Parts: sequence; C-alpha cells; structure tokens
Amino acid sequence: GAGVSQSPSNKVTEKGKDVELRCDPISGHTALYWYRQSLGQGLEFLIYFQGNSAPDKSGLPSDRFSAERTGGSVSTLTIQRTQQEDSAVYLCASSLGGGVRTDTQYFGPGTRLTVL
Amino acid sequence: AQSVTQLGSHVSVSEGALVLLRCNYSSSVPPYLFWYVQYPNQGLQLLLKYTSAATLVKGINGFEAEFKKSETSFHLTKPSAHLSDAAEYFCAVTWGGGADGLTFGKGTHLIIQP
Repeated sequence: GAGVSQSPSNKVTEKGKDVELRCDPISGHTALYWYRQSLGQGLEFLIYFQGNSAPDKSGLPSDRFSAERTGGSVSTLTIQRTQQEDSAVYLCASSLGGGVRTDTQYFGPGTRLTVL
Repeated sequence: AQSVTQLGSHVSVSEGALVLLRCNYSSSVPPYLFWYVQYPNQGLQLLLKYTSAATLVKGINGFEAEFKKSETSFHLTKPSAHLSDAAEYFCAVTWGGGADGLTFGKGTHLIIQP
C-alpha cells in the first residue's frame, strides 16, 4: 500500500516568505508527527496529532511555526516569515495511534526547505 | 533531562565484518527503544524496536539489538556487513509514546569498505 507522502519534495524560498509543507499519512493512521532534521540539531520532534488534535505544541521552534490537520488525514506545517535557520529537511510520520508506546512510526521522504 | 547517545558519528567496517553501533539512554526508567535506518535522500525506515517482550530483538536485513537495562544500552549488531548496509543509523527512544514523539540520537554513519 501507499506510504507516507510529502510535498513538495524540495522548496527554495526567500527569507521572509511564508511556506506550507504538506503531509499525507498512511490511510487509517490516526497519529501524525512532524520532525525537523538539520545538520546542527539532528532530528527534532516538532508536534504530534491524534486525530485532528495536537495536545502539545511546545516543540514547535517559534511562533512562526504552526501546524494543522483536517479530517484526521492531511496535515500542513506552515512557517511564516521564514529565516535562514529554518533551512532543514522536514519529515512527517504516521502511526496507527491510540497512545501505544511501541507504535511504529512510518516516515515520509521529507521536504527539503532552503531559505535564501 | 532524558536523552539518547550514539557513540561514534562514523563507523567504518570491512565487508563481511561484524557491525556494532552503540546506543545508550540516560534515564532511571527504561524507555521504549527503536533503531531506524536512513538511506541517502530517503526517509527513515524502522529496523527493529524493543517492546519489553524480549531483550534480544531481531529486525530486518539481518540486524539485531539487545536491551541491557544494567548498562542502559541498546546496541545494534549485524554479524556480517554488506555493501548495501552503508547508511545513516539512528537510535530513538520514547517514554510516553505518542504525544512525546521520538527522541533521536545524533546518528551514526556506517561506511562499508569493500
């Protein structure tokens, strides 16, 4: 079956512009996660959705970052007024959900964001 | 703070040799542990996970890992390296699951010498 998909695969933008990153999880997965992968910080957890709800947004790097999920499926990560330090690969993952601690997260290929 | 450490940012082994990638966590409460592999320009793929059912866990591609509570370790091994094993390997942990996300180590780049 289809895995997690993300779009665009690459995004180059100018400093100060807004960007939207999209994630399509595996069908039937109720949990969805966003991570950021950068050379300096490694892999960082950003936010988790169970259904359409994100119980904790404290992992988002700044108030320029926001995320939403609609219909328990597609999620978008929005970065407003992008800065050069936002350049990274943004990874999305999904899992069956339900709060199972050993639930396997399946990752998408990522969106490589470059802020000039 | 709870954390996970991978010793060695780069590990080089000869084809056919033993692969050993190290992972240690810092916490008095054992977490749930995972190993992921990332091939160039690809997403992360789960190799194996520790679910407390057994301390020796077998994964895909001939990899296995052993959970040792006394050493707070979850090292990844493979008896005989193959050229196709060259990739970045990440150890990850979660204590709460779900809302906590996964906490990843810095990764180990595995190089296979022909």
